[in-house]
Amino acid sequence: QKEVEQNSGPLSVPEGAIASLNCTYSDRGSQSFFWYRQYSGKSPELIMFIYSNGDKEDGRFTAQLNKASQYVSLLIRDSQPSDSATYLCAVNPPGRSASKIIFGSGTRLSIRP
Amino acid sequence: DVKVTQSSRYLVKRTGEKVFLECVQDMDHENMFWYRQDPGLGLRLIYFSYDVKMKEKGDIPEGYSVSREKKERFSLILESASTNQTSMYLCASSPSGGKQETQYFGPGTRLLVL
Repeated sequence: QKEVEQNSGPLSVPEGAIASLNCTYSDRGSQSFFWYRQYSGKSPELIMFIYSNGDKEDGRFTAQLNKASQYVSLLIRDSQPSDSATYLCAVNPPGRSASKIIFGSGTRLSIRP
Repeated sequence: DVKVTQSSRYLVKRTGEKVFLECVQDMDHENMFWYRQDPGLGLRLIYFSYDVKMKEKGDIPEGYSVSREKKERFSLILESASTNQTSMYLCASSPSGGKQETQYFGPGTRLLVL
């Protein structure tokens, strides 16, 4: 089992709708969770991080964490064509220094006009 | 703005060559990382450095070495390049302390080993 799993997609969502991206992780003791966005041909950039169970909102983005079920989600409201990108989930498992995070393979999101 | 630069965007090398990939950051970050990114496998950590001359192996260090002689510069070395090292290589840096989870990535080097 991979330590961080994501559906590779592509996930196609109409403009204006809510895009929902999911990520599961294997190490129950993981404490820190991150979402990076990577446009085609570009490098990843951090868009959200979450430490506590529940929701964290930042503009159109909401990260949801459920440690009991070992998943973390990213919701994008009012999806725009500029949201089309690959979204990488990352986790910092216990036993690793806080800086060393493990990335999933990413979900490709396509927003159709 | 944090800036992480990598010496080359594209490189073509032959099997057996020694390859140097250079990364420079201008934000005085303590932590620096080298990843490779392959389709379906995501980003995998090769090596990590938390200070000058300090390094830790990542998840896939075999066939690679690193050098950090100055705080701003982190080099990845392929001692004898092989075709299975054809990949996109990404360098990143992050501060220590409270925001150490925020990694800033360079533009990447796409390496082709023939």
